[in-house]
Amino acid sequence: DQQVKQNSPSLSVQEGRISILNCDYTNSMFDYFLWYKKYPAEGPTFLISISSIKDKNEDGRFTVFLNKSAKHLSLHIVPSQPGDSAVYFCAASDNYGGSQGNLIFGKGTKLSVKP
Amino acid sequence: NAGVTQTPKFRVLKTGQSMTLLCAQDMNHEYMYWYRQDPGMGLRLIHYSVGEGTTAKGEVPDGYNVSRLKKQNFLLGLESAAPSQTSVYFCASDPGLAGAEQFFGPGTRLTVL
Repeated sequence: DQQVKQNSPSLSVQEGRISILNCDYTNSMFDYFLWYKKYPAEGPTFLISISSIKDKNEDGRFTVFLNKSAKHLSLHIVPSQPGDSAVYFCAASDNYGGSQGNLIFGKGTKLSVKP
Repeated sequence: NAGVTQTPKFRVLKTGQSMTLLCAQDMNHEYMYWYRQDPGMGLRLIHYSVGEGTTAKGEVPDGYNVSRLKKQNFLLGLESAAPSQTSVYFCASDPGLAGAEQFFGPGTRLTVL
């Protein structure tokens, strides 16, 4: 059973508007969450992360919100730009104290930002 | 600084053939990983290594072997390729610190006929 779920395979947004990508998880032991961005024919690149002791983390146009009671996190991109068009993967770990390959990835959401 | 590199970028194999995928990183990272990505799926961990000379199984290790003889290199081997191993393979590394992000290579697209 999927421990990290991204229920929207795709999302289309107008340039300048907000993009909201959602992620749900089932494992209450997860204590660290990351978002990766992937362009075609390239490897994923790290975007932003949040630990379970926080409910919000912001980096420029990107903000991640964590709702532990709902086991839900979301990535907000504002304003959205055409260069943000990519596949976004949500990932979770239960080993924040030491990375040991415990990243569990969602299936990804393809974001298209239209000019 | 090349980051994480993977060789080859593309490969076509026949069922039963063997091959080795090479991953190299120049960031002096302790931890290295091999993932596969299939259409409509997230990345799934095959094997990983927490240091030179060590390896461990991930979520989908069957049909693969790995070796980490040097800190900067992580090899993924397919002894007898099967069509089910057709996938895009990604290597990643990280310094092994709390909350450290993983750095990914560009991927190897493998097709097994």
